[in-house]
Amino acid sequence: DVQMTQSPSYLAASPGESVSISCKASKSINTYLAWYQEKPGKTNKLLIYSGSTLQSGTPSRFSGSGSGTDFTLTIRSLEPEDFAVYYCQQHNEYPHTFGAGTKLELK
Amino acid sequence: EVKLLESGGGLVQPGGSLRLSCAASGFTFTDFYMSWIRQPPGKAPEWLGVIRNKANGYTTEYNPSVKGRFTISRDNTQNILYLQMNTLRAEDTAIYYCARWGYWGQGVMVTVSS
Repeated sequence: DVQMTQSPSYLAASPGESVSISCKASKSINTYLAWYQEKPGKTNKLLIYSGSTLQSGTPSRFSGSGSGTDFTLTIRSLEPEDFAVYYCQQHNEYPHTFGAGTKLELK
Repeated sequence: EVKLLESGGGLVQPGGSLRLSCAASGFTFTDFYMSWIRQPPGKAPEWLGVIRNKANGYTTEYNPSVKGRFTISRDNTQNILYLQMNTLRAEDTAIYYCARWGYWGQGVMVTVSS
């Protein structure tokens, strides 16, 4: 199985700031990486897939980059609704493994 | 509007079985791969498996962690996805979600405990 390593596990920031979350795969997954947002009481929301393609409805302040084994989710100019848990998931090969998550907290 | 509604969760004893259902609506069910994902409270999601669409013969893939114990099937006349879970263990305790690309259901809780 492809192991997905996310960092950091926790991140504290303020509205208006920009943050980045890293996700590293144990082997090349080409560009087949998705990012999800988890918020209490809501279904997990697909933000980005194939490394950098924004899912319909994802605000443009979210961006994804990377290929091979190293990927980054960047959120520019944080809004209050962005404080949540973020997961990466590779969708290159089965099983589609997830990272352990990054909790983005309000500073 | 895409809707996925899981049912069938609950409390089951170790070694027991449970079948989850997911009623799908708002899209052409046979066109899509459908997956099951679980998430223990406070932990990361775990992909369990997928059943392919009509064009790909409704074949299945499983996570090795559940292969042989869990079976995914679909009723394409009623637009229902199933997850049959056998020989359940305490570590199977989680919220179980059905998913289509880009959409997850609200999930259903499964607790395995004596």
